[in-house]
Amino acid sequence: QVQLVQSGPEVKKPGASVKVSCKASGYTFAGYDMHWVRQAPGQGLEWMGQINPDSGATKYAQKFQGRVTMTRDTSISTAHMELSRLTSDDTAVYYCAREMYSGGVCYFWGQGTLVTVSS
Amino acid sequence: QSALTQPASVSGSPGQSITISCTGTSSEFETYNLVSWYQQHPGKAPKLIIYEVTKRPSGVSNRFSASKSGNTASLTISGLQAEDEADYYCYSYATSSTWVFGGGTKVTVL
Repeated sequence: QVQLVQSGPEVKKPGASVKVSCKASGYTFAGYDMHWVRQAPGQGLEWMGQINPDSGATKYAQKFQGRVTMTRDTSISTAHMELSRLTSDDTAVYYCAREMYSGGVCYFWGQGTLVTVSS
Repeated sequence: QSALTQPASVSGSPGQSITISCTGTSSEFETYNLVSWYQQHPGKAPKLIIYEVTKRPSGVSNRFSASKSGNTASLTISGLQAEDEADYYCYSYATSSTWVFGGGTKVTVL
């Protein structure tokens, strides 16, 4: 069965960077785009971007352009999301989510990774 | 920048039907049938309940149905149950190969 297992919680200082990992299993990793979605405490879902694990091609939300980098390591079926220049507004749960087949529909979700930005 | 607008909250009694609207601002929203809906219970990851405007993934109750007309998509929950109390988000293709979530609607079962 499809599983997405994310890395553990992180505490970072303002200005630092964070890298969240998402290890996939139960399917062909290169076959489906991976999206990243975040949710600040008490707030809604926010789409950050996606990566094609086969080609490595990425697409980011305009809000995160220049600050987010999505990568993948196909040898270990793992996607990564790195966010730089963190502020307290980046405190959120970060989710990876695999597309159902194509067309942006996020069907399988990781358990979420809490990133706390605090001085 | 594309945006999706949802009501902050909707409530209903058990057994009733409720409808959540999602209004898009972009031409892509009207043009493409790429609206999805997600259900999220507190502390849990979102769950896909509707995709491509009207389709239900396997295992999702047929009490959930959806439609789209013009720049407004709608999710209807029929026969409201206590377990339906959750946050609901619409999600759609925005522009330039990006995607966007609505602000979310809190459903309360009275």
